[in-house]
Order: sequence, then C-alpha cells, then structure tokens
Amino acid sequence: EAQVTQNPRYLITVTGKKLTVTCSQNMNHEYMSWYRQDPGLGLRQIYYSMNVEVTDKGDVPEGYKVSRKEKRNFPLILESPSPNQTSLYFCASTLLGTYNEQFFGPGTRLTVL
Amino acid sequence: SQQGEEDPQALSIQEGENATMNCSYKTSINNLQWYRQNSGRGLVHLILIRSNEREKHSGRLRVTLDTSKKSSSLLITASRAADTASYFCATAMDSNYQLIWGAGTKLIIKP
Repeated sequence: EAQVTQNPRYLITVTGKKLTVTCSQNMNHEYMSWYRQDPGLGLRQIYYSMNVEVTDKGDVPEGYKVSRKEKRNFPLILESPSPNQTSLYFCASTLLGTYNEQFFGPGTRLTVL
Repeated sequence: SQQGEEDPQALSIQEGENATMNCSYKTSINNLQWYRQNSGRGLVHLILIRSNEREKHSGRLRVTLDTSKKSSSLLITASRAADTASYFCATAMDSNYQLIWGAGTKLIIKP
C-alpha cells in the first residue's frame, strides 16, 4: 500500500531533550516536506527536500533540523525542544511535477513540557 | 506566510444539504488544491484546479476558480455524515512545489 508513515504518533517530552520524528514513504517520491499545524494557523512548512542530500528551509525552520540521506526517509530533528514547539506535525511527499498532489502521513502529536 | 483564507471558519448543516466553502488568496498561482482532514488525522487530497481552469468536478465535489477575484469555492453536494471534517485550500505558485495553506473550514454534518 502506497503510504507515508511517521513515528512516533504521540510524544510527550521535556524541554531540551533531543528527539527525532521519523518519516518514510514507499512511493519513490523525490519531494518530501515537514509541516506543523497549530489551531487557527493552518499548516506551516518547516523544511522540505527536493531530492537526496538537498534540503531547504520553509517558513518556520528555527529550532528544527532535517536530513535526507535516502530517498524514502526524511527525519525531523529537534535538538533542544521548547514548549512553543508543541504542535501536530505532518510529513508529506509528492512526485516532482507542477500538478502533483501531496500525500500526508498520519501526524505526530508532540507535547514539550 | 499564509496565502489562502477560508470562509466560513465553521459550517454546520443538515445531512443531505449542500455545503459551500470559499478560499481567497493573495498572489498569482499555478494551481489551487483542496484537502480534507478528519479530526487530528493526516490530510487527504480532494481535487486540484489549474489556473487556466474555471471549474472542476469529482463525484459530489465541485470546485470553481476565479483568478480575477483570487478566489475559489468548494461545493459538496448531498452532504453525508462522513463529510464531517476540516477542509483546507492550498495554493501553489509558479515553478514551485511549495503549497501555502489557509486556516481551514470546519464542516459539521448533522444527522
């Protein structure tokens, strides 16, 4: 089944404790992206990647890191999480091409105490 | 940056009625997409309309695009309880894979 998977789905952590949220897709998509979703703000892009070893900042990259060592994986790293990073996070992927829909993972709900 | 703004923010209707949601945006676009999100879950793509298209249909969905007014509407006909969800519009600008999202319309279908 074609899908984007994220782990963990739920995470409660404390300020400053490094964490990684994994994202994997099995559709051979070149483009992958991380979003955060906060009430009333819609989705805001954190980072995106057009291909292996190519990553770029989105609208809200501060406090986050990403890597793209393999085509299928695009982990999101919070080196020192803070409470304002409490949010619902989504990974998405798509084939490169102007009219392509994005496929979303199920989301990771992160709480930073 | 937030490009699209959906209107209304929330909509509650009876099952069987039609639901209309609107999206306005600020800059020229390549295409506009509508997505559905069931409570706390991932988004699912519904329909994409290109900037040179005016109307598109998919099952019970009808999307219109007016580039002169920088607005789009999503019509769901004969609504069902399963249509209860949040609906988001997202715009893609020229030569760009980035999507810019609105804050969404929360639709509740009452049985």
